[in-house]
Amino acid sequence: AQTVTQSQPEMSVQEAETVTLSCTYDTSESDYYLFWYKQPPSRQMILVIRQEAYKQQNATENRFSVNFQKAAKSFSLKISDSQLGDAAMYFCAYRGIIQGAQKLVFGQGTRLTINP
Amino acid sequence: DTEVTQTPKHLVMGMTNKKSLKCEQHMGHRAMYWYKQKAKKPPELMFVYSYEKLSINESVPSRFSPECPNSSLLNLHLHALQPEDSALYLCASRPRLAERSDTQYFGPGTRLTVL
Repeated sequence: AQTVTQSQPEMSVQEAETVTLSCTYDTSESDYYLFWYKQPPSRQMILVIRQEAYKQQNATENRFSVNFQKAAKSFSLKISDSQLGDAAMYFCAYRGIIQGAQKLVFGQGTRLTINP
Repeated sequence: DTEVTQTPKHLVMGMTNKKSLKCEQHMGHRAMYWYKQKAKKPPELMFVYSYEKLSINESVPSRFSPECPNSSLLNLHLHALQPEDSALYLCASRPRLAERSDTQYFGPGTRLTVL
């Protein structure tokens, strides 16, 4: 069974600094997708970034980038130049095929605090 | 456009009430999902609709009844709920567009309180 582990329940960073959120996963599939979602206090789940497992190049979206290590089954998120609006719960998610349907397996989340 | 809308934003209901949650998107979807999320926890999958047919029911109690009337709309009918059903209910959609078909886009959720 696929599992996703986020080992940091909480993280904090100074505004304008860089922070890295960790995520590891377990799977026997060779082709899959990984995602980071952000959930601010408004509770809307917002897609931050996605990575296709067959691509060796790490995905980047503006200040957000990932370090995807397929062999190590690691998928960390780096946020550069942290802003107050980045404060949120961040969920790492793995897209698996279960019972013939695509399903997301979520980690437990990391709550990120930005200190002004 | 990957927008998913949900109504209402907030809902308070008694245990004997019948209510419905609505989810709408205009992306043309491959699949639509209902999730339940408790505070400080990740979303838990409830139902999956693939091409408007129910494909997964994660052993959800029958007091929750999903419906997909057309390719843009997903409903969740609620009846005889319990206080422990109070949670944020999230809808998600996977678009038909090939380059986005592996990604779920979420609506803003309905915060449900059962008294």
